Amino acid sequence: LAKTTQPISMDSYEGQEVNITCSHNNIATNDYITWYQQFPSQGPRFIIQGYKTKVTNEVASLFIPADRKSSTLSLPRVSLSDTAVYYCLVGDKRGKLIFGQGTELSVKP
Amino acid sequence: GAVVSQHPSWVICKSGTSVKIECRSLDFQATTMFWYRQFPKQSLMLMATSNEGSKATYEQGVEKDKFLINHASLTLSTLTVTSAHPEDSSFYICSAREGTGGNTEAFFGQGTRLTVV
Repeated sequence: LAKTTQPISMDSYEGQEVNITCSHNNIATNDYITWYQQFPSQGPRFIIQGYKTKVTNEVASLFIPADRKSSTLSLPRVSLSDTAVYYCLVGDKRGKLIFGQGTELSVKP
Repeated sequence: GAVVSQHPSWVICKSGTSVKIECRSLDFQATTMFWYRQFPKQSLMLMATSNEGSKATYEQGVEKDKFLINHASLTLSTLTVTSAHPEDSSFYICSAREGTGGNTEAFFGQGTRLTVV
């Protein structure tokens, strides 16, 4: 399973765009990239998933370069409620999900 | 999105007793369910993968006789922590994948906080 590396923590202010980059140098051909958000004492919540190029939904965008060795989660105009831990996971769509250390995002007023 | 429900949300038990945690997929059939454990300020650690109708596959270092997993139906998996001790106190989270359809997104339960005293 491809290992992922993310910054341990990030700080931002309300209204800013936040970009969290994840490295996954050993990503396999069948692997997808999925991002989850977790609040304290809650289960992770799905944010976005992609395979290549760019994916956008109502809450985030995911940018994946051609070599797929990294990906960037973009959160537009963050608010205080976006303070959470964000996990980048890499794996095939039917395999087990292995969590890395995650990025603790702190949004300040 | 699909809903995965865990019960109970929290439980306190005495050392030496067993505790059962239920994980249900409410609006889809889950052929595969995953159980995780999470200690404070740490990431989720995968304990085991359970497939409906077959034995669970445990991750290295996880005692299968201590953490009993049963996935008897397509909507229910249970994790039983046997002879619990204070070091088993943790946040347990289940996850479920839908069956054979194209959408194989994994959905997570809200977690169960276990405290062993």
